[in-house]
Amino acid sequence: AQSVTQLDSHVSVSEGTPVLLRCNYSSSYSPSLFWYVQHPNKGLQLLLKYTSAATLVKGINGFEAEFKKSETSFHLTKPSAHMSDAAEYFCGTFTSGTYKYIFGTGTRLKVLA
Amino acid sequence: EAQVTQNPRYLITVTGKKLTVTCSQNMNHEYMSWYRQDPGLGLRQIYYSMNVEVTDKGDVPEGYKVSRKEKRNFPLILESPSPNQTSLYFCASSLRPSGTQETQYFGPGTRLLVL
Repeated sequence: AQSVTQLDSHVSVSEGTPVLLRCNYSSSYSPSLFWYVQHPNKGLQLLLKYTSAATLVKGINGFEAEFKKSETSFHLTKPSAHMSDAAEYFCGTFTSGTYKYIFGTGTRLKVLA
Repeated sequence: EAQVTQNPRYLITVTGKKLTVTCSQNMNHEYMSWYRQDPGLGLRQIYYSMNVEVTDKGDVPEGYKVSRKEKRNFPLILESPSPNQTSLYFCASSLRPSGTQETQYFGPGTRLLVL
């Protein structure tokens, strides 16, 4: 069965430093992967999605993620954190056989001034 | 404006009192879905619908019902709510159920407290 694991429940970074949010996936075939962001008291917004066209995926607000099949990872990165990046981030996958979406448990990003 | 709307946004109820949370989208999307969000557990899919009159269970369907009589609406029904259904609920929709080929759009959420 497909699944995703977010390796950190909380991450703290200083403003202006790089962000790394880790996500590993489990899939028996080519996965369908994405990252969503949830700002406090808001719904979820798509950051980026892996469509198999390129292993490095660029998203909104300067975020990007790299699909690494050998490591079964899809980590989210940003070169320089901004205060507005403080939010909860969800990695997820879609199972095309059952049409289900599966989300990770979330990583709460804190950005320190 | 393209959007997914949910009502009510906040609801306090008592055990056993039937309730319905409505979800509506104005984008002519085929695929709609309900999730619950709980601390430490992330989002878990409750039910989804591929199109009108086509629904199926997600990972946590127990205690919930859904219907899809019209393309735009996908209500979530709790026939006999229990305290363990206290949660934050999100409705979402996408044009088609094609994983990363389509973007899911989420509603603003409904916070439910069952006493």
